[in-house]
Amino acid sequence: DTGVSQNPRHKITKRGQNVTFRCDPISEHNRLYWYRQTLGQGPEFLTYFQNEAQLEKSRLLSDRFSAERPKGSFSTLEIQRTEQGDSAMYLCASSGLELNYGYTFGSGTRLTVV
Amino acid sequence: DAKTTQPPSMDCAEGRAANLPCNHSTISGNEYVYWYRQIHSQGPQYIIHGLKNNETNEMASLIITEDRKSSTLILPHATLRDTAVYYCMGVADSSYKLIFGSGTRLLVRP
Repeated sequence: DTGVSQNPRHKITKRGQNVTFRCDPISEHNRLYWYRQTLGQGPEFLTYFQNEAQLEKSRLLSDRFSAERPKGSFSTLEIQRTEQGDSAMYLCASSGLELNYGYTFGSGTRLTVV
Repeated sequence: DAKTTQPPSMDCAEGRAANLPCNHSTISGNEYVYWYRQIHSQGPQYIIHGLKNNETNEMASLIITEDRKSSTLILPHATLRDTAVYYCMGVADSSYKLIFGSGTRLLVRP
């Protein structure tokens, strides 16, 4: 098991373009989470899946953001019509049903909107 | 989830113990104290968690006061690779969501 994998590691896009990020969690983990982190701040919760069901979305997740986890395995996070304020590190994490061993985070996708 | 307060930065010498404090005076009875750290350009990494008793693992020790209003993370022999931002947070047993604050930036000096 190679842990949580995120692709791409870096993405530079022009304002107004759509971008999609992928997260491959640890295979036996039921729960998958997306967080966003801006410079100097701690990660902020965006959304959470249990298997394929998206059970919570933060108010930070505007209508331009959509996340899916179609077969309860990998997940994608899409941002439509990107804005400069979307520039951040997007982190994915996974866990089992109990948090006893904490989340396992990926290394993130750094998005820069120019 | 409990609000936590941590000093913004600390430093210690390599090889010495690093003691990182966290205040969580509003923590409720069913909330565990979790610690994560984030090394530059990486995702956060789980360190340790506890409810009431002190805990130790291969990475660190966690000391929780008897009233549970504060805790201290101890890295017994800090190395340069322990330079990171350290986050503490309260997480309810039934919860799934980690709420990160600003953390403590620990610098380990050679």
